[in-house]
Amino acid sequence: DGGITQSPKYLFRKEGQNVTLSCEQNLNHDAMYWYRQDPGQGLRLIYYSQIVNDFQKGDIAEGYSVSREKKESFPLTVTSAQKNPTAFYLCASKPSGRAAGELFFGEGSRLTVL
Amino acid sequence: AQSVTQLGSHVSVSEGALVLLRCNYSSSVPPYLFWYVQYPNQGLQLLLKYTSAATLVKGINGFEAEFKKSETSFHLTKPSAHMSDAAEYFCAVSPMSGNNRLAFGKGNQVVVIP
Repeated sequence: DGGITQSPKYLFRKEGQNVTLSCEQNLNHDAMYWYRQDPGQGLRLIYYSQIVNDFQKGDIAEGYSVSREKKESFPLTVTSAQKNPTAFYLCASKPSGRAAGELFFGEGSRLTVL
Repeated sequence: AQSVTQLGSHVSVSEGALVLLRCNYSSSVPPYLFWYVQYPNQGLQLLLKYTSAATLVKGINGFEAEFKKSETSFHLTKPSAHMSDAAEYFCAVSPMSGNNRLAFGKGNQVVVIP
């Protein structure tokens, strides 16, 4: 089945540790996105990538980093510089030629900092 | 810049009653508009979209929305609520041109009362 796979689904981290969230898609989509979701705040864009080897900061990029070495993969690293990393993280992708909002989402990764 | 306002974080509706979720947008250019649904601990799924064709848009699961430019609104409705409609609903806007980044509202958590 085609889709977006995020892993792990649940992750616990100690303060001061970096963690990497995986996002893999087999939809052959060019654009990929990372969103952060907090209760009652909707979704906020962290980073996005429209083509391989290129990515742009979203609205809340501080304390996060990404790479886009392959079309299928867009991992997100939550660094120790992120002050409040506990959240639900969603990865999405979009095929070329579609409107900006026609996104396909993964099932999310929930990060909890202990 | 684009933004979306969704009032009322929690909405309760009786089974069989009308579902009405309000969305008002702000956009300096003609917009694309979207409604997404999210079930617990899952990603978002596109419910319906307005991309400048018909102003009354039908989506999945019996939902529809009407784009009203004069009121800058894109309210979501369903004539008869079902228990399976219990979820969180997000309205989102993007410009038709330019960087076409997507802006989400804060969401409505819908509770269906038997």
